[in-house]
Amino acid sequence: RKEVEQDPGPFNVPEGATVAFNCTYSNSASQSFFWYRQDCRKEPKLLMSVYSSGNEDGRFTAQLNRASQYISLLIRDSKLSDSATYLCVGVDNYGQNFVFGPGTRLSVLP
Amino acid sequence: DTGVSQDPRHKITKRGQNVTFRCDPISEHNRLYWYRQTLGQGPEFLTYFQNEAQLEKSRLLSDRFSAERPKGSFSTLEIQRTEQGDSAMYLCASTPLSEQYFGPGTRLTVT
Repeated sequence: RKEVEQDPGPFNVPEGATVAFNCTYSNSASQSFFWYRQDCRKEPKLLMSVYSSGNEDGRFTAQLNRASQYISLLIRDSKLSDSATYLCVGVDNYGQNFVFGPGTRLSVLP
Repeated sequence: DTGVSQDPRHKITKRGQNVTFRCDPISEHNRLYWYRQTLGQGPEFLTYFQNEAQLEKSRLLSDRFSAERPKGSFSTLEIQRTEQGDSAMYLCASTPLSEQYFGPGTRLTVT
């Protein structure tokens, strides 16, 4: 079993839709979590950090449930420019071991 | 440009040849990571450095792979006797603490 798992998608949604991605992790030593966005044939770029209390950045909301070892990303009012692959990342307590999930591909359709 | 840079951006080589990639991290970042990414997968950890010390290597990193960061600044990743299975995107990332900043990657094609 992979340490970080994600639904590969693709998720095809119309503009303006709300879409949610899920991510599960198996290593309880993972302490910090992030969502990265990766456009086709580009490098990953940090989208947002994930906190237990949940955090919001504009149309994006991230949530961490440590008991269930589950992370989520919610995108509201999706835009065409949101089309990308979204990578879930877990980091150990020392901030050294980064484990990426396989990514979930999102296509926002006009 | 103060971001992470990688060179070359593309490399096509014949099976059995050696290749070397370079990464220049953000100057104040003391941690540097190498990843390999294939189509449809997330980045897979290869190795990382804290300053010039190589602290961890993945079991994915066979004896044909070696990485250095001689002065704690730029890093090189060398693949000897390349195989077709080495074809992938090789990404470098630097981090000050927990957020990683990626370079544009080197796309390797082994023919």
